[in-house]
Amino acid sequence: DMKVTQMPRYLIKRMGENVLLECGQDMSHETMYWYRQDPGLGLQLIYISYDVDSNSEGDIPKGYRVSRKKREHFSLILDSAKTNQTSVYFCASSLRDSYAEQFFGPGTRLTVL
Amino acid sequence: SQWGEENLQALSIQEGEDVTMNCSYKTYTTVVHWYRQDSGRGPALIILIRSNEREKRSGRLRATLDTSSQSSSLSITAAQCEDTAVYFCATDPGGYKVVFGSGTRLLVSP
Repeated sequence: DMKVTQMPRYLIKRMGENVLLECGQDMSHETMYWYRQDPGLGLQLIYISYDVDSNSEGDIPKGYRVSRKKREHFSLILDSAKTNQTSVYFCASSLRDSYAEQFFGPGTRLTVL
Repeated sequence: SQWGEENLQALSIQEGEDVTMNCSYKTYTTVVHWYRQDSGRGPALIILIRSNEREKRSGRLRATLDTSSQSSSLSITAAQCEDTAVYFCATDPGGYKVVFGSGTRLLVSP
């Protein structure tokens, strides 16, 4: 069953609190991604992970960090969340191939008050 | 046409009409992906066209690619209400970093 899961689906935090978003996939994909999507905009790449402990910054990494200790699991961490980090966060995974399809999770809606 | 920092484009058509969405990209790519995103869900790949292909078909979908003008299009024939979604083009400039366009919101009314 090819699936990407994200937890939690909805999260409300206060400014300055730490946030942990979790993503899992059951396809043994090497590559995993974190994106954010703001209303009316496309997806912005935050981080990409090529495999365990092999992570690379995307286009908007500031204020975020990631952790990948197992191939099937990829975490996004916001240390001291800011109100401008309110967004919908999507995780995706793919084979390490230029023509590979990215499989997306259902998203996490994060609100930072 | 979608790309880069442009705001989300919107199209509104009637059921049964044909529609074409355009995408321009700025950097070299070996492939253009077209993704569809339904409300409240993550995007899903619907068609992929490689740089050595000029046209690709899948059911009622037709994608074209013009590498000389760095543009791609997605056409839907005889659109149905269930085609209502946001459609994104995406390119791969290298390093497996897929870059998404700003998207086209398609509304198909009965």
